[in-house]
Amino acid sequence: TQLLEQSPQFLSIQEGENLTVYCNSSSVFSSLQWYRQEPGEGPVLLVTVVTGGEVKKLKRLTFQFGDARKDSSLHITAAQPGDTGLYLCAGLISGNTGKLIFGQGTTLQVKP
Amino acid sequence: DTEVTQTPKHLVMGMTNKKSLKCEQHMGHRAMYWYKQKAKKPPELMFVYSYEKLSINESVPSRFSPECPNSSLLNLHLHALQPEDSALYLCASSWTAQAGSGNTIYFGEGSWLTVV
Repeated sequence: TQLLEQSPQFLSIQEGENLTVYCNSSSVFSSLQWYRQEPGEGPVLLVTVVTGGEVKKLKRLTFQFGDARKDSSLHITAAQPGDTGLYLCAGLISGNTGKLIFGQGTTLQVKP
Repeated sequence: DTEVTQTPKHLVMGMTNKKSLKCEQHMGHRAMYWYKQKAKKPPELMFVYSYEKLSINESVPSRFSPECPNSSLLNLHLHALQPEDSALYLCASSWTAQAGSGNTIYFGEGSWLTVV
């Protein structure tokens, strides 16, 4: 069974705090994507990471792909209320045709 | 332009109705997908089309019938649905259906379906 364990599943923090979301698996991913989703809307792509050890930054968001391509993290610096939403990690495994393996999601609430 | 367009945004249908969800992309992607998502859960794959041919059916009940008229369009025909089929239905697309390096799947905004 190919699983992607995402943690924490729920996070409620104050504006200005930092946070990290983790995705871990025993499987090797050819690529891993992070999405942010608001209620009733589709997931919006934040980033795709491909290379082991890769670090990508998107304003206050920093994404890291593990050296072995089995894990990834999302770090948000100085969280804002606009960061509130469901964050999903999802990976593609080589040999699996088009099937994204999703983490369980992290619901983030940032209070003003 | 990384846009996948879905219509309608909201749909309410009775259990005896026949309706369709539509999806369109103009990114030249050759793989298109239907996902189903319940509240606060990750999306679940239903179907994958690769080069306009159905390549994956994740044991979806026959009351859901996908159709890919051309490389830009994907439909999901709905008939005799049950209340438990109420969910957000997401269309997605990518360059290919292979898990190649950097292959990224883009989602549409979704069609929120309520079966009464």
